Amino acid sequence: DVKVTQSSRYLVKRTGEKVFLECVQDMDHENMFWYRQDPGLGLRLIYFSYDVKMKEKGDIPEGYSVSREKKERFSLILESASTNQTSMYLCASSPGGTYYEQYFGPGTRLTVT
Amino acid sequence: KNEVEQSPQNLTAQEGEFITINCSYSVGISALHWLQQHPGGGIVSLFMLSSGKKKHGRLIATINIQEKHSSLHITASHPRDSAVYICAVQGGSEKLVFGKGTKLTVNP
Repeated sequence: DVKVTQSSRYLVKRTGEKVFLECVQDMDHENMFWYRQDPGLGLRLIYFSYDVKMKEKGDIPEGYSVSREKKERFSLILESASTNQTSMYLCASSPGGTYYEQYFGPGTRLTVT
Repeated sequence: KNEVEQSPQNLTAQEGEFITINCSYSVGISALHWLQQHPGGGIVSLFMLSSGKKKHGRLIATINIQEKHSSLHITASHPRDSAVYICAVQGGSEKLVFGKGTKLTVNP
């Protein structure tokens, strides 16, 4: 079974802090994704990586950066957390190529106060 | 950009009922995904389809490419089917565009 794990289920940070969210997958998938999910807005893509050190912006990249130094690990970085980044963050992975289902992690509920 | 609409937003059913959730999209696609999200956050992929129909247990997904429409059916619904069901479409890349989800509650 594919397993996607995220570093924390719940996280509380203060405004202005630098926040790292980590995602690890164990199935040698090429593609990894970071989404945020907000009530009434659904899932929105923040960043996507299709290979080590390769990334593409999604629909809402502002205020975020990402790092993929190893194939199995994809990190989302909030350089200076703000209250409007309070959300559920979900990581996903899929095999290389275009038409494959995505496997999701359990999510991290981030609260910025 | 593709617009994905799901209906209904909320659905309450009695155990045993046949359930249909609809998804329509605005631009032609290469694949459509149905996902399930239980309370607590975890999302599971149910189906990926590009034409016709797929069945898995009590779940059936259909797609009509010409009409830009897909349906997810649940036969003999059960309280454990209570979840949010999410439709997502895929064009010519790895990226998905998601609907806002349908919250299903099945009462015993």
